[in-house]
Amino acid sequence: AQKITQTQPGMFVQEKEAVTLDCTYDTSDQSYGLFWYKQPSSGEMIFLIYQGSYDEQNATEGRYSLNFQKARKSANLVISASQLGDSAMYFCAMREGRGGGYQKVTFGTGTKLQVIP
Amino acid sequence: GAGVSQSPSNKVTEKGKDVELRCDPISGHTALYWYRQSLGQGLEFLIYFQGNSAPDKSGLPSDRFSAERTGGSVSTLTIQRTQQEDSAVYLCASSLAGLWKGEQPQHFGDGTRLSIL
Repeated sequence: AQKITQTQPGMFVQEKEAVTLDCTYDTSDQSYGLFWYKQPSSGEMIFLIYQGSYDEQNATEGRYSLNFQKARKSANLVISASQLGDSAMYFCAMREGRGGGYQKVTFGTGTKLQVIP
Repeated sequence: GAGVSQSPSNKVTEKGKDVELRCDPISGHTALYWYRQSLGQGLEFLIYFQGNSAPDKSGLPSDRFSAERTGGSVSTLTIQRTQQEDSAVYLCASSLAGLWKGEQPQHFGDGTRLSIL
């Protein structure tokens, strides 16, 4: 069963507008972490933002914020004031913690974001 | 400081040959992950090493794939009798692990681009 689901294969956004990239997850663990990574065409993986399952407030990092809805098991990434350099693949990932240091991380299929001038 | 290093960066080989891909994680990172990424696709989990624990091999696609991690540091992913469908970018990542410490993003190498002729 898919643990991380990103339902938007591709998205377009006008420069300077905000955009939301969807991510839903499935886990029976109580303790887990959610990550978003950006992968430009150059191929490098860039860490953007993290949300812990016990964090009560939504994470924010500059123009990135994470809309965490625990009961719905969703962790959507919001990018405000889009820039041309934001054009990239975006991956949602989940780290499941089962104690003893076990921390497997699985990724969604990604969303390709294109920012239009 | 040094990041995650992977070698070779590119590998072209004939179908049926064996290949070895190497990953040098960041010093002190006890968690090491291998992923496979086909062109334009997401990251497919292959295997996860955590300290001295038995690795999580649940993502290895067939018994032609194996991996080891020597001395808790360098890891080698071996693919025997390569097939054309093995062509992909193989990404290695490492992270701090152990007691749950919240935000511990994975640090990725630049990947090995494997092409099977």
